[in-house]
Amino acid sequence: SAVISQKPSRDICQRGTSLTIQCQVDSQVTMMFWYRQQPGQSLTLIATANQGSEATYESGFVIDKFPISRPNLTFSTLTVSNMSPEDSSIYLCVYRLNEKLFFGSGTQLSVL
Amino acid sequence: QKEVEQNSGPLSVPEGAIASLNCTYSDRGSQSFFWYRQYSGKSPELIMSIYSNGDKEDGRFTAQLNKASQYVSLLIRDSQPSDSATYLCAVNKPQAGTALIFGKGTTLSVSS
Repeated sequence: SAVISQKPSRDICQRGTSLTIQCQVDSQVTMMFWYRQQPGQSLTLIATANQGSEATYESGFVIDKFPISRPNLTFSTLTVSNMSPEDSSIYLCVYRLNEKLFFGSGTQLSVL
Repeated sequence: QKEVEQNSGPLSVPEGAIASLNCTYSDRGSQSFFWYRQYSGKSPELIMSIYSNGDKEDGRFTAQLNKASQYVSLLIRDSQPSDSATYLCAVNKPQAGTALIFGKGTTLSVSS
């Protein structure tokens, strides 16, 4: 399996600002996803990051709020825009290898 | 109806006992089923995958799948205190390509 480096590991942000989370994989992977896990909740799929094209968003998530880039098969970013306290969550970069998912270490975001 | 449902627990068992974790899913088109374990503050880690009806055993863990009933379970034999964690059931979502949809998780506590 490939190693995922995700950063930042945590951040505290002010309402109305934006934060970009980076995810680097040490080998090429076809499928990458972004999930979030709010306090006491399970993992919720935000979007599938497609290489060279626009991300595919799940219901309830939009590109203006969560723009995603995937310039190549080893790197992706997720931006949380115009943040509010409701965006406080752990954000996880995930890749698929065969049928299994492998997780980054997560970004714990707190919005004040 | 939620796509993947689990009892949140907590499920408490004594050391050495069998822990039984259950999960139901709503999409009959799902073909891949997974159990992940998540320790507090950590990313989920894959325990088992199952694709066919019946039982699949791996060490102390047995996954059971019944597609007709849309039911997946995980049995942990000889439970250990180190098994205390949240167990997440995950199911592939055909409409989302290869992404997985997670249940809320069941918290297991094994007492010594």
